[in-house]
Amino acid sequence: IAGITQAPTSQILAAGRRMTLRCTQDMRHNAMYWYRQDLGLGLRLIHYSNTAGTTGKGEVPDGYSVSRANTDDFPLTLASAVPSQTSVYFCASSELGGPGDTQYFGPGTRLTVL
Amino acid sequence: AQSVTQPDIHITVSEGASLELRCNYSYGATPYLFWYVQSPGQGLQLLLKYFSGDTLVQGIKGFEAEFKRSQSSFNLRKPSVHWSDAAEYFCAVGAGRSSGSARQLTFGSGTQLTVLP
Repeated sequence: IAGITQAPTSQILAAGRRMTLRCTQDMRHNAMYWYRQDLGLGLRLIHYSNTAGTTGKGEVPDGYSVSRANTDDFPLTLASAVPSQTSVYFCASSELGGPGDTQYFGPGTRLTVL
Repeated sequence: AQSVTQPDIHITVSEGASLELRCNYSYGATPYLFWYVQSPGQGLQLLLKYFSGDTLVQGIKGFEAEFKRSQSSFNLRKPSVHWSDAAEYFCAVGAGRSSGSARQLTFGSGTQLTVLP
């Protein structure tokens, strides 16, 4: 069982380009999340999805969009990347999406925007 | 809104020494509290969590944490640290909100643990 996979592992991107970070889980979890991790700031929630077909905004959603067409996949799109979006991005999932749920994290995508 | 403070950015201990990592939270009701660990280049892994009941919680890898409501704290402890415990540790608080909103985790900024041989 792979758990959560993310692709790519790392990417260098020119400012203004469009980029989609991929996330797939095989645990049949209802809820999925995207976080960004920046030094000294911990993890901040970008977007979440409590179930397939629904999405919501987290703490830092501006400049990002998500979709949840099915249970397994939760891609994160940067429509026009800016240098401030340089970060490590983590996808996570949890069984039900409740506040007490354990979240399971992918290995991360390191994104550099120049 | 909930918040989490980890006052120690970096802690260094010798292998075999005891460890305590501090975590303070702010939330109006009884929170869900978590400790996650992140090894270099990896995602986060759950060490332990607290919902209710016994305030001393046992986790994986020999870690434990104690919930102290009066101090709004949830400190992580280990009696004897191993070199493999070197990692970054994150405390998080989970709080339920109205349906349709993000029932999200709020993470602290992390504590980097270095273990000396």
